[in-house]
Amino acid sequence: EIVLTQSPGTLSLSPGERATLSCRASQSVTSRYLAWYQQRPGQPPRLLIYGASSRATGTPDRFSGSGSETDFTLTISRLEPDDFAVYYCQQYDGSPYTFGQGTRLEI
Amino acid sequence: EVQLVDSGGGLVQPGRSLRLSCTTSGFTFRIYAMSWVRQAPGRGLEWVGFITSKTYGETTQYAASVKGRFTISRDDSKSIAYLQMDSLKTEDTAMYYCTRDLSPGGDYYYFDYWGQGTLVTVSS
Repeated sequence: EIVLTQSPGTLSLSPGERATLSCRASQSVTSRYLAWYQQRPGQPPRLLIYGASSRATGTPDRFSGSGSETDFTLTISRLEPDDFAVYYCQQYDGSPYTFGQGTRLEI
Repeated sequence: EVQLVDSGGGLVQPGRSLRLSCTTSGFTFRIYAMSWVRQAPGRGLEWVGFITSKTYGETTQYAASVKGRFTISRDDSKSIAYLQMDSLKTEDTAMYYCTRDLSPGGDYYYFDYWGQGTLVTVSS
């Protein structure tokens, strides 16, 4: 099973700033099969990024994903108020699919 | 518009059973794999299992924590996915979400649409 470790656990920033979230895998995620999700309070997760760097339909271009093998990054270039939420990475390089423990992005 | 509506949750005693439903609309249900993902209160996300489309044999896979107790099925005529949960434990308490699955090919799934979730509480 691939274990994903996200850092930091909590990130405190202000609107307009740049956010950098990390996701590290315990073994290589082949073919960059890594996705990012955003979860706001009381809502289901929402797909933001798949294939490590492809934006899902409706994902604003201020969100970008990068990385390969064991190190992946989600960057939000200019934070807007709606971006303050919890972010999860997920690997889909075979079952069992696993998620990171989440990064809480707070104002 | 793609919609997934989760239902069937509630309070159940340990050792008992419960069946969740995921009623879908707005897309061709029969061609998609579907998964269930759960989230314990205040915790992160845990994949529970998936079922492939009929074209791929309605194959199922499960997380180790639920294997042998949970069963995923589907009814393509009604566009509904099910999660049958038997021998429930207190640690199964969570919000359960169904998801529509996308894949670049093969059993490599990520989740592009989610239901709103249904809460299952296992307690005596």
